[in-house]
Amino acid sequence: KAGVTQTPRYLIKTRGQQVTLSCSPISGHRSVSWYQQTPGQGLQFLFEYFSETQRNKGNFPGRFSGRQFSNSRSEMNVSTLELGDSALYLCASRTGTGGHEQYFGPGTRLTVT
Amino acid sequence: TQLLEQSPQFLSIQEGENLTVYCNSSSVFSSLQWYRQEPGEGPVLLVTVVTGGEVKKLKRLTFQFGDARKDSSLHITAAQPGDTGLYLCAGVVNYGQNFVFGPGTRLSVLP
Repeated sequence: KAGVTQTPRYLIKTRGQQVTLSCSPISGHRSVSWYQQTPGQGLQFLFEYFSETQRNKGNFPGRFSGRQFSNSRSEMNVSTLELGDSALYLCASRTGTGGHEQYFGPGTRLTVT
Repeated sequence: TQLLEQSPQFLSIQEGENLTVYCNSSSVFSSLQWYRQEPGEGPVLLVTVVTGGEVKKLKRLTFQFGDARKDSSLHITAAQPGDTGLYLCAGVVNYGQNFVFGPGTRLSVLP
């Protein structure tokens, strides 16, 4: 069974630009969660999508948004990038019904200059 | 806001030594998970502990969930260089509705 894949793996953007990150979950998993990981703040929850609907949301500004498609693939968008958005963005998939086991992708390293 | 603290923040030991890392909170969690993350990769789930007082063993790793389900520990026996990584604990909130991660313990095992 293929694992969670994230594209791209690395990205360099300039302040003010926007960026879209992609995540393909494990086959059969309907839940995709997004996290931001930084040295100072650790792993922080952004949001979770289940069956194309946002099910949970963390404490991030509206510049961070996401969506999920009917095949469970998910995208995350950050608009008007700030220097502080530089981070490793991780997505995690799980079945979404009952099991709490999360399987993480390798992440997208975003650098904002 | 539910917060998790981990200690120590950094740990550097020689191969063969034993170590314990701790995960503490003032909040009660429905269950608690431990992950290991290696450079350039996402976290990998090691174990989920569910019942207060529960002890789980995974080869040389022993995980314990506190009686009050607010804290947990991870003990590694005879550490090996392959154990090197960032160890993260995560509290499961509301039976899987959300996950709260600790800041992590960065372990380095020197050969």
